[in-house]
Amino acid sequence: GQNIDQPTEMTATEGAIVQINCTYQTSGFNGLFWYQQHAGEAPTFLSYNVLDGLEEKGRFSSFLSRSKGYSYLLLKELQMKDSASYLCAVRDRSFKTIFGAGTRLFVKA
Amino acid sequence: GAGVSQSPRYKVAKRGQDVALRCDPISGHVSLFWYQQALGQGPEFLTYFQNEAQLDKSGLPSDRFFAERPEGSVSTLKIQRTQQEDSAVYLCASSLAVTDNYEQYFGPGTRLTVT
Repeated sequence: GQNIDQPTEMTATEGAIVQINCTYQTSGFNGLFWYQQHAGEAPTFLSYNVLDGLEEKGRFSSFLSRSKGYSYLLLKELQMKDSASYLCAVRDRSFKTIFGAGTRLFVKA
Repeated sequence: GAGVSQSPRYKVAKRGQDVALRCDPISGHVSLFWYQQALGQGPEFLTYFQNEAQLDKSGLPSDRFFAERPEGSVSTLKIQRTQQEDSAVYLCASSLAVTDNYEQYFGPGTRLTVT
């Protein structure tokens, strides 16, 4: 079966750095996405990785290791508005996207 | 420009009723996806279309669920004889393509409550 694992909840302090990990086992691999979802809202795209390595985009970076089935999302200079769920999603060999259950991040002052 | 829109935003149905949920994707987006999201969970894949062709419907939970996109634009997800376990938020997303780094743009969702 297809499986994506990420921590259920994390708490971090405003201004700090937090790393959200994701491991996956899917039927093939055609890219990994991270989405942000605020409570009661739709997910919005953050990053995409298809090759191994780090992709940086402002305060957000995402890393991928295909051989390990592993990714992480790094958020720097945390702000209160970063409190949200972060969804790891993998596009499999049939091009459908499988989402993890999400990591709820709480940013405290 | 306009994003993905869904209607209705909220739907309450009595058990056994049929419901139809509509999705208007971003103009020009070839790919359209339907997901079911339970509270505290990630979106769960239901089905996806490339233009009017339904390429994968492996996520539809039962034959009570049916989706169509007859002209390759607007899509409708129909649920027949609704059950309480169908209560969830139904998300629609569209994308320029399913390949490469084309991300999905999500609509606001339809919250379905079956009583």
